[in-house]
Amino acid sequence: QSALTQPASVSGSPGQSITISCTGTSSDVGGYNYVSWYQQHPGKAPKLIIHDVSNRPSGVSNRFSGSKSANTASLTISGLQAEDEADYYCNSYTSSDTYVFGTGTKVTVL
Amino acid sequence: QLHLQESGPGLVKPSETLSLTCTVSAGSISSSFFWDWIRQPPGKGLEWIGSTSYSGTTYYNPSLRSRVTISVDTSKNQFSLKLNSVTAADTAVYYCARRVGGSGSDYWGQGTLVTVSS
Repeated sequence: QSALTQPASVSGSPGQSITISCTGTSSDVGGYNYVSWYQQHPGKAPKLIIHDVSNRPSGVSNRFSGSKSANTASLTISGLQAEDEADYYCNSYTSSDTYVFGTGTKVTVL
Repeated sequence: QLHLQESGPGLVKPSETLSLTCTVSAGSISSSFFWDWIRQPPGKGLEWIGSTSYSGTTYYNPSLRSRVTISVDTSKNQFSLKLNSVTAADTAVYYCARRVGGSGSDYWGQGTLVTVSS
């Protein structure tokens, strides 16, 4: 299975909004509403910030939102803050009953 | 608060078997969740290795399936990973995690670095 495609890097100024895309196929992203997003700070374990395409776990800021259109899922961070600087990964269930991660996106706060 | 902790050798020789255990505490592994192994080579992205249910039903990444075995020991509240015939490409931080069906992994271990080198 091939990794889902994400932009290598995205940047924005404090207070701005940014969007990270995650492109797959009809056999993964496009076929199921089982897309999740993770935030990972250097040296730390990933943290779940979005599940089932657009749902936030308890305690996750409402500045994070998710959506999906066809084979592409998106994560939007609004009101960008310095603490949002991290790596972000999408993940999807696949038709093979497996899971696949995205290539990862480094978010830089200018 | 559920806690997961990986344990095992930090150094494995090429062609040998990598073995890791994840101990679950403050919660039961015998529940309707899935228990995953995920790895991350230094400076690179995340890779899903596979998962097990508490009853022992397993799922594996097709690219690793021929070398991976994931098992569960409910009496010890642990699940394990074995990866055989390792090479330097298997050097990575290995994480264990709890997954809520298809809805993402909400609890993760801190990760353990395994280096493959002679």
